Amino acid sequence: SQQGEEDPQALSIQEGENATMNCSYKTSINNLQWYRQNSGRGLVHLILIRSNEREKHSGRLRVTLDTSKKSSSLLITASRAADTASYFCATGSGNEKLTFGTGTRLTIIP
Amino acid sequence: NAGVMQNPRHLVRRRGQEARLRCSPMKGHSHVYWYRQLPEEGLKFMVYLQKENIIDESGMPKERFSAEFPKEGPSILRIQQVVRGDSAAYFCASSPRSGAKETQYFGPGTRLLVL
Repeated sequence: SQQGEEDPQALSIQEGENATMNCSYKTSINNLQWYRQNSGRGLVHLILIRSNEREKHSGRLRVTLDTSKKSSSLLITASRAADTASYFCATGSGNEKLTFGTGTRLTIIP
Repeated sequence: NAGVMQNPRHLVRRRGQEARLRCSPMKGHSHVYWYRQLPEEGLKFMVYLQKENIIDESGMPKERFSAEFPKEGPSILRIQQVVRGDSAAYFCASSPRSGAKETQYFGPGTRLLVL
């Protein structure tokens, strides 16, 4: 079964609007991380939220975690063209590996 | 402090050849992870290594794939007798401690194309 599934799979919004992406997972976790990947590039770590945290902020990013629903959301406020990328959630669950979702492709329309 | 380095960035091989992918973790990081990304998909864990030890290779195909992280030098992911299905982006990540509890920092990846 797929751990870490993002929705929507693709999202297009106007520059300046807010973008919200969701991630659901199936097993218990220690933490959940969000990464950004520009086309053909590596992953950039955005934010880590631990299982005992409910919300975390970093600049224009806001992440929430609801362990009872096994879900997380990533909100990007006041989007910019440079935010165009794929966004992945990844869960860490006690062993060492991260389990990634399939990603949300975000396009910001100037 | 340089980030995670991977080379080569692009690698083209013909079926049956060997591919060697190298990863130098961030300074002070002793934990290395390899992931594979197929087109339009997320990353899939392959193997987790600490210096001179393979800790978890549950995501590694049983045949043709091997990984090492020697005491000196970079971590190497080796794919023998490559097939077209091995074409993918291979990412290395490193962390200073147990990775699932801490941030893993990713390299730029090696894009392998098998002709």
